[in-house]
Amino acid sequence: KNQVEQSPQSLIILEGKNCTLQCNYTVSPFSNLRWYKQDTGRGPVSLTIMTFSENTKSNGRYTATLDADTKQSSLHITASQLSDSASYICVVSALGYTNAGKSTFGDGTTLTVKP
Amino acid sequence: EPEVTQTPSHQVTQMGQEVILRCVPISNHLYFYWYRQILGQKVEFLVSFYNNEISEKSEIFDDQFSVERPDGSNFTLKIRSTKLEDSAMYFCASTLAGGTYNEQFFGPGTRLTVL
Repeated sequence: KNQVEQSPQSLIILEGKNCTLQCNYTVSPFSNLRWYKQDTGRGPVSLTIMTFSENTKSNGRYTATLDADTKQSSLHITASQLSDSASYICVVSALGYTNAGKSTFGDGTTLTVKP
Repeated sequence: EPEVTQTPSHQVTQMGQEVILRCVPISNHLYFYWYRQILGQKVEFLVSFYNNEISEKSEIFDDQFSVERPDGSNFTLKIRSTKLEDSAMYFCASTLAGGTYNEQFFGPGTRLTVL
């Protein structure tokens, strides 16, 4: 069964600090891994998209890494801001007709950034 | 900036009733998706849709569910006879194409409450 596990479940950091969120997956056959940011009561917003051949991808203060051999990914946030407070969701898609379909979502890591 | 819109934002219905959730994807997008998120749980893939056909669907998407693109702009999810366990936030999403690097844009969601 395809699974995506994220850790930690929640995290509290001070404004300006860095943090790293983890994602382990067992999705086969693997197509791509996406990180999303979801504010409470809103739809997820795409941060990064990576295929098996990519090790790292950045989007501003967000940097995602992928190790397709160990089936692990991380999302690093640098110089955190209060607006970074949200749930960060790791989503892994299996090969299919559409590469955003057949997606398995993680439970998310709830990040709280405090002043 | 183009965005996916969903109506209504909140729908309350009686068990056994039919509901139709509406979505307007980004105008030049060709691939459409529905997801649901039960309160406190992870987002789950329901169905993807392209060229007026279902491309992929999950085990959740049983005969009670149907999708339709009745005109050039709307994309709807119908639940024929709602059950208590259908109470969830339903997200619509769209992508320009089906390839991996096509960013997926989510709508704000419709909260469905079945009484």
